[in-house]
Amino acid sequence: KQEVTQIPAALSVPEGENLVLNCSFTDSAIYNLQWFRQDPGKGLTSLLLIQSSQREQTSGRLNASLDKSSGRSTLYIAASQPGDSATYLCAVLSYNTDKLIFGTGTRLQVFP
Amino acid sequence: ETGVTQSPTHLIKTRGQQVTLRCSSQSGHNTVSWYQQALGQGPQFIFQYYREEENGRGNFPPRFSGLQFPNYSSELNVNALELDDSALYLCATGLAGGWSEQFFGPGTRLTVL
Repeated sequence: KQEVTQIPAALSVPEGENLVLNCSFTDSAIYNLQWFRQDPGKGLTSLLLIQSSQREQTSGRLNASLDKSSGRSTLYIAASQPGDSATYLCAVLSYNTDKLIFGTGTRLQVFP
Repeated sequence: ETGVTQSPTHLIKTRGQQVTLRCSSQSGHNTVSWYQQALGQGPQFIFQYYREEENGRGNFPPRFSGLQFPNYSSELNVNALELDDSALYLCATGLAGGWSEQFFGPGTRLTVL
């Protein structure tokens, strides 16, 4: 059974810091891994999708890496801004399923 | 290209009632999945629809049911509401196939009193 864990659960940092959010999963048989952002009480915004054959994806100040063999992904946020404050969720799509399995998220607060 | 939309935004029901939530698919997408997100938790998969049929189901009882229409829009129906059904309900659309990125709607906040 696939399980996804995210560390840390919460993070509070001053503006300008570079951040690393961690995601681990127990079953390496995945199609892809997706990182999402969720603002309080809102839906999920897709940030990055990494296919199982890829090692990393980049979008602006965001970079996500994937090490499928070790069951790990990291989301790197460069030069953090207060507008980055949100909960960040990772989710994996395992072989032979049609469902995303989510971690419980990392709640990020960036203060000025 | 229009995004995923959901209605209503908020809903308050009492225990034992029935509720219907709606989702409009992003243009070009042919699968729709529903998720339940309790406060402070990650979303939990309820089921997915493809070609108007259920195509995978999570650990939810039969009182959770759904429909997908020819235009790929979808409904989630919940009968005999319980207090624990209070949650944010999210729909996600994509393309059939394991490689597809999933796009989520803004969610419906359901409160059961």
